[in-house]
Amino acid sequence: NAGVTQTPKFRVLKTGQSMTLLCAQDMNHEYMYWYRQDPGMGLRLIHYSVGEGTTAKGEVPDGYNVSRLKKQNFLLGLESAAPSQTSVYFCASTQEILYGYTFGSGTRLTVV
Amino acid sequence: EDQVTQSPEALRLQEGESSSLNCSYTVSGLRGLFWYRQDPGKGPEFLFTLYSAGEEKEKERLKATLTKKESFLHITAPKPEDSATYLCAVQAWSGYSTLTFGKGTMLLVSP
Repeated sequence: NAGVTQTPKFRVLKTGQSMTLLCAQDMNHEYMYWYRQDPGMGLRLIHYSVGEGTTAKGEVPDGYNVSRLKKQNFLLGLESAAPSQTSVYFCASTQEILYGYTFGSGTRLTVV
Repeated sequence: EDQVTQSPEALRLQEGESSSLNCSYTVSGLRGLFWYRQDPGKGPEFLFTLYSAGEEKEKERLKATLTKKESFLHITAPKPEDSATYLCAVQAWSGYSTLTFGKGTMLLVSP
């Protein structure tokens, strides 16, 4: 089925550990995004990409890095996890922003 | 800085009781206003894009309208399956502009 797939769905990390969240889309979309969603804060943009090989910072980029080596994949890295990074992470993609984003089902990350 | 404020934060309706959700926005040149639906434990699902004041769009029991300062999502004769969080977002005319989301309105429709 066409869509956005996020891996893993759940993860618990210890403070200081690193991990990579994978987002894969099979719709040949140009634009890809990483958001975090926290209670009372809404969706906040971490990083985004407007095409293969490009990345840009969003509203809350500190503590995260991203890469888009292949058009269909957008990776979000946490080099040294902190409890403040406990959140639900959503990846989204679109071919044209005005057509709306397609979101993945999310990754629930807990940092202890 | 683009801003989106949604009200109320939560709304409880009886089945068949129509109501409206509000999205007030401040943006330097509106390119598009978006409505999404989010079910618990899932990612947001795109509903509508509105481009200019006066525009309306409908989908089943939902109708979205747009003015120069706000958008309304009208829910007519809601059913329990309409229960979800509804998110509003805006995009401005500025380069590779991204969406700015509001915090959402949590709607609960009781049978």
